[in-house]
Amino acid sequence: NAGVTQTPKFQVLKTGQSMTLQCAQDMNHNSMYWYRQDPGMGLRLIYYSASEGTTDKGEVPNGYNVSRLNKREFSLRLESAAPSQTSVYFCASLSGELFFGEGSRLTVL
Amino acid sequence: AQSVAQPEDQVNVAEGNPLTVKCTYSVSGNPYLFWYVQYPNRGLQFLLKYITGDNLVKGSYGFEAEFNKSQTSFHLKKPSALVSDSALYFCAVRDDNFNKFYFGSGTKLNVKP
Repeated sequence: NAGVTQTPKFQVLKTGQSMTLQCAQDMNHNSMYWYRQDPGMGLRLIYYSASEGTTDKGEVPNGYNVSRLNKREFSLRLESAAPSQTSVYFCASLSGELFFGEGSRLTVL
Repeated sequence: AQSVAQPEDQVNVAEGNPLTVKCTYSVSGNPYLFWYVQYPNRGLQFLLKYITGDNLVKGSYGFEAEFNKSQTSFHLKKPSALVSDSALYFCAVRDDNFNKFYFGSGTKLNVKP
C-alpha cells in the first residue's frame, strides 16, 4: 500500500518556467490537499479538494492552480514560477487525520 | 478563525528525562486537535488526536497529549525521551466545517544522549 505518492521529489526551475507537481493516493479518500512548508512558518494550505470535481483556495493560492483529475489524483501547477515559490510542497489526503506524501522540494532560481 | 500557536521554536531535553512540547489553539466551535511529527527530509506522520472524551490522549511511540479546555492548550508529552524522538513536531487544528487543517509553526525537539 503506497499511501500518498508525490512526483517529482526534487525540481529546479528558472524564473518564469512552468511545472506541475503530481500527487496520487490509493486509499480511496475523498479530500486531498496541497501544502507548502517554509522554515519558521509551518505548513500553509495552498488549495484543497473536498471531493472529486471540486477545488477551493486555501491560505496562499496566488501563483498556483490545481486539478482534481479523479478521486486518486490531485495536481498542483505553477504557471510562471517565481523565487518566492521556492519551498517544500506536500500533498495529503484525509481520513480522520491527514496522510502525507514525502514531499517535493522545489527551487526557483 | 482557527489558529494554532507553538511558542517554542526549539526544545532541548536529555535522554531519559520527560519532555513537553507546547501548543495553544483558538477555535470557533469544538476543537479537533492533532499532533504530527516530521523526521528530516520526510513527510509528516500522525501521532495522536483529540476529538472528544478523555483529556489525556495516548498516541504512537509512547507520546501522549493533554487537552485543557480552560487554558486552550494541547501539550505533547512523553515520560522518558529517546534520542530517536529528535524531530520537528507540529500541532494542528481541524476546521470541521470545511475539513481544513491549520498548523502551528513547528517545534524542533532535540534529545541529547
